Amino acid sequence: DQQVKQNSPSLSVQEGRISILNCDYTNSMFDYFLWYKKYPAEGPTFLISISSIKDKNEDGRFTVFLNKSAKHLSLHIVPSQPGDSAVYFCAASALYNQGGKLIFGQGTELSVKP
Amino acid sequence: SAVISQKPSRDICQRGTSLTIQCQVDSQVTMMFWYRQQPGQSLTLIATANQGSEATYESGFVIDKFPISRPNLTFSTLTVSNMSPEDSSIYLCSVPGPRGRGRLGTQYFGPGTRLLVL
Repeated sequence: DQQVKQNSPSLSVQEGRISILNCDYTNSMFDYFLWYKKYPAEGPTFLISISSIKDKNEDGRFTVFLNKSAKHLSLHIVPSQPGDSAVYFCAASALYNQGGKLIFGQGTELSVKP
Repeated sequence: SAVISQKPSRDICQRGTSLTIQCQVDSQVTMMFWYRQQPGQSLTLIATANQGSEATYESGFVIDKFPISRPNLTFSTLTVSNMSPEDSSIYLCSVPGPRGRGRLGTQYFGPGTRLLVL
């Protein structure tokens, strides 16, 4: 039972354009959503998060959008840079019901070409 | 942010043997988490290790296969016992991040231990 799904295993965009990474979830108890970025041979690093009471959170070039009715969130990176090339994981948490453990999607490998 | 180190960074093991992975944090934390990432898969939580109590295992993971120690607030070990090729994965430890605005629910991850079982 995959509660968090990233259906695109890979995405390739041109430098300077927008990257849009998508994530779907099934558990309506999730109240916090996070994006992590992972380079090879490193652990995931936190990128940006959003609470279920919001529909948008922005931090510099990164914006996360949440559509609760569709149980869908997306990460927008604009403009994309070659250094953004990494695997991006979507994660969800039911902070106040399940002790805050993170449920991860399968990841999307982003490649930003110069 | 917390600095987390793991040993070994990678290993190749024979089936039937066991490997103990160490996780060291540069600050005291109550909770530590152990994850597994199988090839092409998502990160899956194995167990939560609280200092001074038994680890809490997720569905599909058992203590006999993945015993965990948590001797103090900065250190934990995960043992992968009686290994088979299906245990080939990246094993990661993590700790809760700060609870400040915009970072609630975050976790800091170690660099991972890449395990190949032959």
